[in-house]
Amino acid sequence: GAGVSQTPSNKVTEKGKYVELRCDPISGHTALYWYRQSLGQGPEFLIYFQGTGAADDSGLPNDRFFAVRPEGSVSTLKIQRTERGDSAVYLCASSLGTGSEAFFGQGTRLTVV
Amino acid sequence: RKEVEQDPGPFNVPEGATVAFNCTYSNSASQSFFWYRQDCRKEPKLLMSVYSSGNEDGRFTAQLNRASQYISLLIRDSKLSDSATYLCVVRLDTGRRALTFGSGTRLQVQP
Repeated sequence: GAGVSQTPSNKVTEKGKYVELRCDPISGHTALYWYRQSLGQGPEFLIYFQGTGAADDSGLPNDRFFAVRPEGSVSTLKIQRTERGDSAVYLCASSLGTGSEAFFGQGTRLTVV
Repeated sequence: RKEVEQDPGPFNVPEGATVAFNCTYSNSASQSFFWYRQDCRKEPKLLMSVYSSGNEDGRFTAQLNRASQYISLLIRDSKLSDSATYLCVVRLDTGRRALTFGSGTRLQVQP
């Protein structure tokens, strides 16, 4: 499809494991954002890419979280040593530029047990 | 203090009612303002941008008061399909360019 694609849609992992979440933005969109959303809350900003570089990673909660976008298209959010508190829906969005409408993917629901 | 504050609701209104949501933001450097709609277990989608002069899109009217750092959304003639969570969103145009979301206001339109 032409929208933002996120895989997997659901991920259950054990505490302490490593996970990777993938985001395929809309073709041609240079800006890419990662958010996470807990139940009853709005999306919380994690990191924003402009092209290949992380323009703002101030939302990453700690050094267990890392994200890359090596070719300026697909991005991977990596979480090391997962904790139960990491359980949330991880949303990816992309836009043509920072001033343009952001389109969200359907998210990856991460459950750490 | 949260950067964007909203009443979580829920607002339970009958079909045909007019309902208004408010939102306040703390960063006076915020330059762009939006309302997003999020259905249960779905991704947020842009409902409308909010302009300084106020703007209308069908049954939806958005207002911005920069002096009070306050944004509103008015929905007229509510439909069952308007039931959703409405997220107030702001963006700085310098520094952090990403969208900052409120926690959302839940609307339930009843038959």
